[in-house]
Amino acid sequence: KAGVTQTPRYLIKTRGQQVTLSCSPISGHRSVSWYQQTPGQGLQFLFEYFSETQRNKGNFPGRFSGRQFSNSRSEMNVSTLELGDSALYLCASSLVPGVVDEQYFGPGTRLTVT
Amino acid sequence: DAKTTQPNSMESNEEEPVHLPCNHSTISGTDYIHWYRQLPSQGPEYVIHGLTSNVNNRMASLAIAEDRKSSTLILHRATLRDAAVYYCILTAGSYQLTFGKGTKLSVIP
Repeated sequence: KAGVTQTPRYLIKTRGQQVTLSCSPISGHRSVSWYQQTPGQGLQFLFEYFSETQRNKGNFPGRFSGRQFSNSRSEMNVSTLELGDSALYLCASSLVPGVVDEQYFGPGTRLTVT
Repeated sequence: DAKTTQPNSMESNEEEPVHLPCNHSTISGTDYIHWYRQLPSQGPEYVIHGLTSNVNNRMASLAIAEDRKSSTLILHRATLRDAAVYYCILTAGSYQLTFGKGTKLSVIP
């Protein structure tokens, strides 16, 4: 069974631009969560989607948004990029919502904002 | 949120067993104990989880104290590929994973 895939793996953008990251969950998984990971802040929750509905959202500004499609693939978008948005963006999928069930992470997208 | 305490770092020789401890003295009755690890430049990887009884899978074993205030992740034969940061996490109906600083495991060839 293929794992979670994220595209692109690396991205360099300039301040003010916008970016869209993509995540394909493991086949059969309908829950997708997004996290931002930085050395200073560690792992921070962005949002969780299940069956195309956003179920939970972390404490991030409205510049961060996401969506999930009927095939469970998910995208997240960051508009008006800031230097502080440089981070590893991780996607995790699971069979059901929540984290009691095991979460399977993708390799992440490394975003650098200059 | 219930918190966990782990040593900052540990070392192990290759092919020897490794016992990674985790203290969670304020664990609630509904908290599951999860372990994830993160290898350098990779996303976190699920290792194992349990509630009350000891658990085994192909990657590791999880030993849970009878009072559930502590647990130990056991890697039966450490390999170089096991060098990673290991996170012990408690979850109870939560929707997000919250990683602490974890234990950085170094494996010596």
